Amino acid sequence: EAQVTQNPRYLITVTGKKLTVTCSQNMNHEYMSWYRQDPGLGLRQIYYSMNVEVTDKGDVPEGYKVSRKEKRNFPLILESPSPNQTSLYFCASSSRQAGNTIYFGEGSWLTVV
Amino acid sequence: EDQVTQSPEALRLQEGESSSLNCSYTVSGLRGLFWYRQDPGKGPEFLFTLYSAGEEKEKERLKATLTKKESFLHITAPKPEDSATYLCAVQVESGTYKYIFGTGTRLKVLA
Repeated sequence: EAQVTQNPRYLITVTGKKLTVTCSQNMNHEYMSWYRQDPGLGLRQIYYSMNVEVTDKGDVPEGYKVSRKEKRNFPLILESPSPNQTSLYFCASSSRQAGNTIYFGEGSWLTVV
Repeated sequence: EDQVTQSPEALRLQEGESSSLNCSYTVSGLRGLFWYRQDPGKGPEFLFTLYSAGEEKEKERLKATLTKKESFLHITAPKPEDSATYLCAVQVESGTYKYIFGTGTRLKVLA
C-alpha cells in the first residue's frame, strides 16, 4: 500500500529536549516536505526537499532542521523545542509522475511543555 | 503576494441540501489546484487536481471546477459522512514545489 508513515504519532516533551519525528514514504517520490497545522492558520510549510541531499526552507523554518540522506526518509528535528512549537505536524511527498499531488502522512501531535 | 482564500469558513447543511465551497487564488502562475478532505486529527486526503480553467472533475457527490481566479467544490445531496474540513491548495508555477494552502471550509451535514 502506498503511504507516508510518520512517527511518533503523539508526543509530549519538555522545553529544550531534542526530538526527531521520522517520516518515510514507499512511493519513490522525489519531493518531500513538512507542514505544521495550527487553528486558524492552516497548513504552513516548514521545510521541503526536491531530492536526496537537496533541502530548502519553507515559510516557517525557525527552530527546525531536516536532512534527506535517502530518498524515502525525511526526518524533522527539533533541536531545542519550545512551547510555540506545539502543533500538529504532517509529512508529505509528491512527484511529477504523480501529477504533483501531495500525499500526506497521518500526522504527529506534538506538545511541548 | 501569492494567496489562497477559502469561503465560507464554516458551513452547516441539512442532509440533501446541495451547496458550493469557494477557493479563490492570487498567484504568479498556476501549475495545479488541489482539493483535499480532512477529518479531525487525520492527514488530508486527496480528492481532485485541476490544471487549467474550464476543467471539471467529479467523484460521487463532489464536483470540482476551475476558472482563472477561483475554484468551486460543489456538493450535491450531501450526507452526514461528507462532514469534514475541505482544503484547497495551489501549486505555484515556479522552479520549485511551492504549494499554498487555504485555511479550509469546515462542513457539517446534519441528518
